[in-house]
Amino acid sequence: GAVVSQHPSRVICKSGTSVKIECRSLDFQATTMFWYRQFPKQSLMLMATSNEGSKATYEQGVEKDKFLINHASLTLSTLTVTSAHPEDSSFYICSASDGGEQYFGPGTRLTVT
Amino acid sequence: GDSVTQMEGPVTLSEEAFLTINCTYTATGYPSLFWYVQYPGEGLQLLLKATKADDKGSNKGFEATYRKETTSFHLEKGSVQVSDSAVYFCALKKGGGNKLTFGTGTQLKVEL
Repeated sequence: GAVVSQHPSRVICKSGTSVKIECRSLDFQATTMFWYRQFPKQSLMLMATSNEGSKATYEQGVEKDKFLINHASLTLSTLTVTSAHPEDSSFYICSASDGGEQYFGPGTRLTVT
Repeated sequence: GDSVTQMEGPVTLSEEAFLTINCTYTATGYPSLFWYVQYPGEGLQLLLKATKADDKGSNKGFEATYRKETTSFHLEKGSVQVSDSAVYFCALKKGGGNKLTFGTGTQLKVEL
C-alpha cells in the first residue's frame, strides 16, 4: 500500500523557537495533503488542507500565520510551527491523497518547553 | 456541524472474544463512513468503509454495517487476536468532499 512518512517522529523545542515537520509520500504523488492535530484522548482535528503549488486552506480557528504549510511538490509538504509555545505541544499527523483514499503518516510528537 | 461519537476505551478482551466498538454519527445528507486502525508507532490505516445505507464493509474479519435509521456504524469481529490490539477510529466524509471527521478513537487491548 501507499506509504507516508513524517520527520521527525518526535521533537522537543524551547518556547519562542520554530520547528518544521516534514510529510512525504514515498511511492505515489499526492495532489492533496492534510495536517491534523491530536490531543490526548481526543479525535484528530483537521488543521488545514493543501494542494500542490497552491496556498493551504485552513480550518476555522487555526492560525495560518502560526502554522505555516508549504506543499511545494507532489511528494512533500511541510508544517512549520512558528514561535512555538507550550500550548502548541501536541501530536501532529499528516495524510496524503492522490485523489482517492487518504494515507496517513505515523505522526510527530511536539513538546515545547 | 458533523460529528462522530465512539465508545470510550480502553476495551480489554481475552483472545477469541467477540468485539463490538460502538460508533454513531451526526451529519446532514449521506456521508460515507470509515473505520481506521492505528497500530503502535504507525500511522492510521483504512480498515473498512461503507458509502451508503445498509452497506456492509468488511476486512480482516472485521465488519460494520451502515445503519441510517440509527445513524450508527458499529465495528464487530467474531474472534479477536492479540495482534488486533490497536486504536480504532470511526470517521465520516461528506459526499464530494475530502474532509474526514473523526471520533476520539477507542483503544483495544487483547490479552492471552
